[in-house]
Amino acid sequence: AQTVTQSQPEMSVQEAETVTLSCTYDTSESDYYLFWYKQPPSRQMILVIRQEAYKQQNATENRFSVNFQKAAKSFSLKISDSQLGDAAMYFCARGGYFGNEKLTFGTGTRLTIIP
Amino acid sequence: DVKVTQSSRYLVKRTGEKVFLECVQDMDHENMFWYRQDPGLGLRLIYFSYDVKMKEKGDIPEGYSVSREKKERFSLILESASTNQTSMYLCASRGRGGTYEQYFGPGTRLTVT
Repeated sequence: AQTVTQSQPEMSVQEAETVTLSCTYDTSESDYYLFWYKQPPSRQMILVIRQEAYKQQNATENRFSVNFQKAAKSFSLKISDSQLGDAAMYFCARGGYFGNEKLTFGTGTRLTIIP
Repeated sequence: DVKVTQSSRYLVKRTGEKVFLECVQDMDHENMFWYRQDPGLGLRLIYFSYDVKMKEKGDIPEGYSVSREKKERFSLILESASTNQTSMYLCASRGRGGTYEQYFGPGTRLTVT
């Protein structure tokens, strides 16, 4: 089975500081997508950022950026200038590129923001 | 904006009951998914559908079935609910092609007593 591993069940960060969430994955494919999803408490899961494996440039969305290391099969999420609204469960996910419709999710990291 | 809705946010059922969880999306998406979310286990795929009347088993289909009679609606059925099916159930949808992003509903927290 192709797996996604998030080794940090919980993380905390001071407000305005930077935090990095780790994710590694296993795949035999050369092209695929990677995602970070955010699930705030009692609220809907939303996409934070996506990375296409064939692109070498790391994706960035405002305060969120990734460090994609294809050879190492690593996909970490960096949150800069952490805000109280960033508190949530964060899930890393991998999806196929050529017609594979399924996403495989990690077990999640609960991020706490300390005021 | 894509909207995915689920029929209930909270549901309490008794062991042995037949349970229906409904999901509706408004973006004409071909693909729809049912996940189960449990602490420490992340999201696990139960079933998915890539077209009307089409379905495929995910990673944990045992004890569940699905129905997709219309493109916008995907139902998850627990034929005989058991206590180990107490969980959060998430529905998602996505279109064909593109970036494979899935859009999620708010979830149904099901308790089986």
